[in-house]
Amino acid sequence: AQKVTQAQTEISVVEKEDVTLDCVYETRDTTYYLFWYKQPPSGELVFLIRRNSFDEQNEISGRYSWNFQKSTSSFNFTITASQVVDSAVYFCALLTNAGKSTFGDGTTLTVKP
Amino acid sequence: DARVTQTPRHKVTEMGQEVTMRCQPILGHNTVFWYRQTMMQGLELLAYFRNRAPLDDSGMPKDRFSAEMPDATLATLKIQPSEPRDSAVYFCASGSGQGESYGYTFGSGTRLTVV
Repeated sequence: AQKVTQAQTEISVVEKEDVTLDCVYETRDTTYYLFWYKQPPSGELVFLIRRNSFDEQNEISGRYSWNFQKSTSSFNFTITASQVVDSAVYFCALLTNAGKSTFGDGTTLTVKP
Repeated sequence: DARVTQTPRHKVTEMGQEVTMRCQPILGHNTVFWYRQTMMQGLELLAYFRNRAPLDDSGMPKDRFSAEMPDATLATLKIQPSEPRDSAVYFCASGSGQGESYGYTFGSGTRLTVV
């Protein structure tokens, strides 16, 4: 069975705090892609990152960083020095090479001023 | 900025009617995705295309849904006949490149209400 678990339903932080959003996945496929998307209150969807299963290199993009660990089937997302504009629902997703896609239920992040 | 254009933005239709949603991917993008978002089911991938060929549409109810790319500038998602449970926001996204050279852009979505 294929599954993506975002255990944190809601997170609330104060501006400038660091915050980590957890994502744990399950799949029997050996080739797959992991994604993070952002959905701000306006409702649009924003692609943040794609990582393939053979590349465990962590990635940093500005205040965003991602930690991919195959050993624990996790693909966690950290926002450093959070800002109010980071308030959104964040989705983690898995797409296998066979085309099967699964999304997590999302984590609602609220950053308070 | 290049953008993915979805039409219509909103659609209200009666049960049993045919609904066609359109997506204009970014010029040069070779991958197109259709997603559906509902409160109950969350986000689901319905179909995706690479170089206009359908790679997977296993997430789509085949009896009433169909997705096509008649040409590189247009992707369509059709529901016939529509049902109230199809009410959702439908997003299209297009992407380019392979390997490390990639990026995906979403359209603004079509909010469909079937009454």
